[in-house]
Amino acid sequence: AAGVIQSPRHLIKEKRETATLKCYPIPRHDTVYWYQQGPGQDPQFLISFYEKMQSDKGSIPDRFSAQQFSDYHSELNMSSLELGDSALYFCASSLTGGAEGYTFGSGTRLTVV
Amino acid sequence: GIQVEQSPPDLILQEGANSTLRCNFSDSVNNLQWFHQNPWGQLINLFYIPSGTKQNGRLSATTVATERYSLLYISSSQTTDSGVYFCAVERWGNTGKLIFGQGTTLQVKP
Repeated sequence: AAGVIQSPRHLIKEKRETATLKCYPIPRHDTVYWYQQGPGQDPQFLISFYEKMQSDKGSIPDRFSAQQFSDYHSELNMSSLELGDSALYFCASSLTGGAEGYTFGSGTRLTVV
Repeated sequence: GIQVEQSPPDLILQEGANSTLRCNFSDSVNNLQWFHQNPWGQLINLFYIPSGTKQNGRLSATTVATERYSLLYISSSQTTDSGVYFCAVERWGNTGKLIFGQGTTLQVKP
């Protein structure tokens, strides 16, 4: 079965640079979510989109922005990167309202040096 | 906000042993999922189980929503079961925002 596809798998950036993470949801899923997992931490909700509109927002820094496109893929843009942004970034997708639960991608490991 | 507590925080097993992981949550939920995070960081969905009991091979899970807890059973553990097991819940009316517990780190020794 098709899964949630994230790219790239690994990314190394320098401080103050910009990074863009991409997420391709499972076909038929109309909702996309982004989570951040710091070292030794549990995943924390950042932001979600339903039908290309932002539906909810967590503790996402102002330096981060995201959007969902007409083909339902989503991109997370991070600017002015800081060392503390080093983390695993997960994308998840679901049917409307989370019916049948949420499926997570394999994550993008971002390292800021 | 809703609190999610998992126990035990760490568990070491000999291959072949059985184990039970627990997840307590502080409010009514409309979604509960168990995930396994492998050593490569991948989050694998084990069960979507807001209530009732499910089984998948050596793994099974039970959620008693009225008493606000869920259990994950691992039987005949294998070294590949090692990793972190997360319980995550979604509070009623808060669609899309999964709240994760702190996880149980499982190490299965050969």
